[in-house]
Amino acid sequence: GDSVTQMEGPVTLSEEAFLTINCTYTATGYPSLFWYVQYPGEGLQLLLKATKADDKGSNKGFEATYRKETTSFHLEKGSVQVSDSAVYFCALIRGAQKLVFGQGTRLTINP
Amino acid sequence: DAGVTQSPTHLIKTRGQQVTLRCSPKSGHDTVSWYQQALGQGPQFIFQYYEEEERQRGNFPDRFSGHQFPNYSSELNVNALLLGDSALYLCASSLETGQRYEQYFGPGTRLTVT
Repeated sequence: GDSVTQMEGPVTLSEEAFLTINCTYTATGYPSLFWYVQYPGEGLQLLLKATKADDKGSNKGFEATYRKETTSFHLEKGSVQVSDSAVYFCALIRGAQKLVFGQGTRLTINP
Repeated sequence: DAGVTQSPTHLIKTRGQQVTLRCSPKSGHDTVSWYQQALGQGPQFIFQYYEEEERQRGNFPDRFSGHQFPNYSSELNVNALLLGDSALYLCASSLETGQRYEQYFGPGTRLTVT
């Protein structure tokens, strides 16, 4: 079945550092890919998405590129802020079906 | 534009009891999906409702059931609660036409089973 694997956390960085959170997937066909963010005590917020190969999703300084050849969708940000501290989930979906999530990566940014 | 709302926010139940969680989808959305998020884990798909019928189901026992109403709101029912049912239950809504793959999540209901 479909699956998503994220780099294990937690990840701790200093403010203004460069961020990469790795995500790879296994799926048949052509899934759409997502990054969701979860702040403490809250539900999930869609951060960015990409629906086909080579698409780049971007939002709030975060970017991720849909790489079909490496089945990857790594999340990057050039300069993180303390407010970026949260749990990040990579996910995929095929058609209007269920979202399949990775296990999440907890990110802590120190001032 | 109202987003996805869920009630209650928190709930404490005893093993063996039954619980009902409620979800109102984002305005204009007609499809509701439910997910269970155990502590420290990613959300797991429970089931999806469209046109008042269960369209797809994840790997959850029959103790988990649901319903969708004509106004697209939905309920999740869990019978014979187990300690392992303690989790954050997330509702997500989407639109069957257009960008069907984009699901919007509510804040969740935190269920604690003692």
